[in-house]
Amino acid sequence: NAGVMQNPRHLVRRRGQEARLRCSPMKGHSHVYWYRQLPEEGLKFMVYLQKENIIDESGMPKERFSAEFPKEGPSILRIQQVVRGDSAAYFCASSPTGGATEAFFGQGTRLTVV
Amino acid sequence: GIQVEQSPPDLILQEGANSTLRCNFSDSVNNLQWFHQNPWGQLINLFYIPSGTKQNGRLSATTVATERYSLLYISSSQTTDSGVYFCAVVPPGANSKLTFGKGITLSVRP
Repeated sequence: NAGVMQNPRHLVRRRGQEARLRCSPMKGHSHVYWYRQLPEEGLKFMVYLQKENIIDESGMPKERFSAEFPKEGPSILRIQQVVRGDSAAYFCASSPTGGATEAFFGQGTRLTVV
Repeated sequence: GIQVEQSPPDLILQEGANSTLRCNFSDSVNNLQWFHQNPWGQLINLFYIPSGTKQNGRLSATTVATERYSLLYISSSQTTDSGVYFCAVVPPGANSKLTFGKGITLSVRP
């Protein structure tokens, strides 16, 4: 799972700013997932993407959050106008195919909103 | 949606002791994974085990899919085993998204 690269590892934003979190999947993996770990809560699914497609965004908050996985480059999770409640660890995972395959996680990005 | 319950919620061990961590799930699954979140927050894959038994060094896992539970065994525990252990599942038709349990916090004391 060391192959899933997330950056930055730590991100501090003031309320109202934008946060951009990046994820490069493991080599050969075309399926990317984003999860959020809020303090005192478990890990929750946010969104599932393939190249240039959002497959399932049922876990994404309706406003301010968006995700993309372009044809070239990393997947981006974007949070606009951040609020203190967005402070969390955001994890990206990748798998070679969809379905019941093993997912591998990155080291996470810890977002702190001040 | 599917429910994932892990027990016990907390576990304290003396170094060298053995332990069993349990994961119960409320429906059939296509995927089950065990993870270790170390004190630095990293999520480390332990096992991909939708059914059967696997071993990796001091760790082993068994999933009995028909009875909807999985067990993670840690033998001869070490202080580096400390952290949170998560079980996560994917039910059929769930588009590969993992549903996590709340985790088991393990502290191994020297």
